Amino acid sequence: GAVVSQHPSWVICKSGTSVKIECRSLDFQATTMFWYRQFPKQSLMLMATSNEGSKATYEQGVEKDKFLINHASLTLSTLTVTSAHPEDSSFYICSARDGRPNQPQHFGDGTRLSIL
Amino acid sequence: GQQVMQIPQYQHVQEGEDFTTYCNSSTTLSNIQWYKQRPGGHPVFLIQLVKSGEVKKQKRLTFQFGEAKKNSSLHITATQTTDVGTYFCAGPTQGGSEKLVFGKGTKLTVNP
Repeated sequence: GAVVSQHPSWVICKSGTSVKIECRSLDFQATTMFWYRQFPKQSLMLMATSNEGSKATYEQGVEKDKFLINHASLTLSTLTVTSAHPEDSSFYICSARDGRPNQPQHFGDGTRLSIL
Repeated sequence: GQQVMQIPQYQHVQEGEDFTTYCNSSTTLSNIQWYKQRPGGHPVFLIQLVKSGEVKKQKRLTFQFGEAKKNSSLHITATQTTDVGTYFCAGPTQGGSEKLVFGKGTKLTVNP
């Protein structure tokens, strides 16, 4: 159980392109999903908390207009990197947890984004 | 702000040797979680500890949660090449938030 699917696995695109990443909880409902960014050989940096049916909560320093988050259902959250530039190249990972107390986060496979 | 510190940053062992990574939080935690990330992969949940002084085992892995609920350790007995990866500890942020604060991780390499 507790499977989180993330798509696509990798993206290579030109500078200025907008890229959408999907995160789905396959066998449980997730009122909250999280989006992380991970640079090579570094830890996970939380970007934002995605809440079903409401606006996402962004961490300090993360541009909400740059990283658009939509959590339209209990099983799907999307992250759109708008007008991506080379500095946005990174490994983006989502996680989800069900609503019960003290439940761990389960991570998607991640998306490797390379902006040329 | 709340911090979770993890040492060592890197550990290289010969296959068969033991390995331990330590995690220390600047604040008391309601629980602590451990994740493993293989090279090129995503973090995979290993275990969650909730009780003060709790010890849990998963085959060759032993997890401990300190009495003060501020530190934790992961010990691997007789490492194997399949243990290679980065081990992260994480604890919930203060105030009942669902967010996690991750340690910087310990990267384990095993020489066969």
